[in-house]
Amino acid sequence: DVKVTQSSRYLVKRTGEKVFLECVQDMDHENMFWYRQDPGLGLRLIYFSYDVKMKEKGDIPEGYSVSREKKERFSLILESASTNQTSMYLCASITSGIRNEQFFGPGTRLTVL
Amino acid sequence: AQTVTQSQPEMSVQEAETVTLSCTYDTSENNYYLFWYKQPPSRQMILVIRQEAYKQQNATENRFSVNFQKAAKSFSLKISDSQLGDTAMYFCAFTSASFKLTFGKGTLLTVNP
Repeated sequence: DVKVTQSSRYLVKRTGEKVFLECVQDMDHENMFWYRQDPGLGLRLIYFSYDVKMKEKGDIPEGYSVSREKKERFSLILESASTNQTSMYLCASITSGIRNEQFFGPGTRLTVL
Repeated sequence: AQTVTQSQPEMSVQEAETVTLSCTYDTSENNYYLFWYKQPPSRQMILVIRQEAYKQQNATENRFSVNFQKAAKSFSLKISDSQLGDTAMYFCAFTSASFKLTFGKGTLLTVNP
């Protein structure tokens, strides 16, 4: 089975802190994604990566950056956390091909105080 | 830009009954895929069912089936013989030329005993 893991299920940070969210997948997928999930807004794409060291902005990239140094690992970085970044963050991966399903991690519930 | 609309924020159904979740989408593409994802309270998102736009036959996966109306741009999910384990948030999603998904805002389904 494909497994996508995220470094933390729950995280509490203070305003202004630099925050790293880590995601690892074990199926050699080329493409990885970071989403933000908020009640009533569904899932919104923050960034995605289609190869090592390659990244593209999604729909809401402001305040975030990403890093993909190895194929299996995709990191989301909040350079200076703010309270409006309190949310659930989901990582996903997929092999190339539009009919394929995305595999999701369990999510990280981030609270910024 | 593609949009996906789920007009029912919440629904409930009695165990063993049938329920239908609605989804409409907007696109100018002719070749695309539609998905229903399920997110149980434990938060791991999983694929329920997918439909290729070029296939007229509606997809079926055990108790889950879709009613795909391409002309109307409608893609509803029917759950037969509802079970308590079907309680979850359900997301409709769309993809066309790339592997990026556009999600609806979700429908929270509660199955009552």
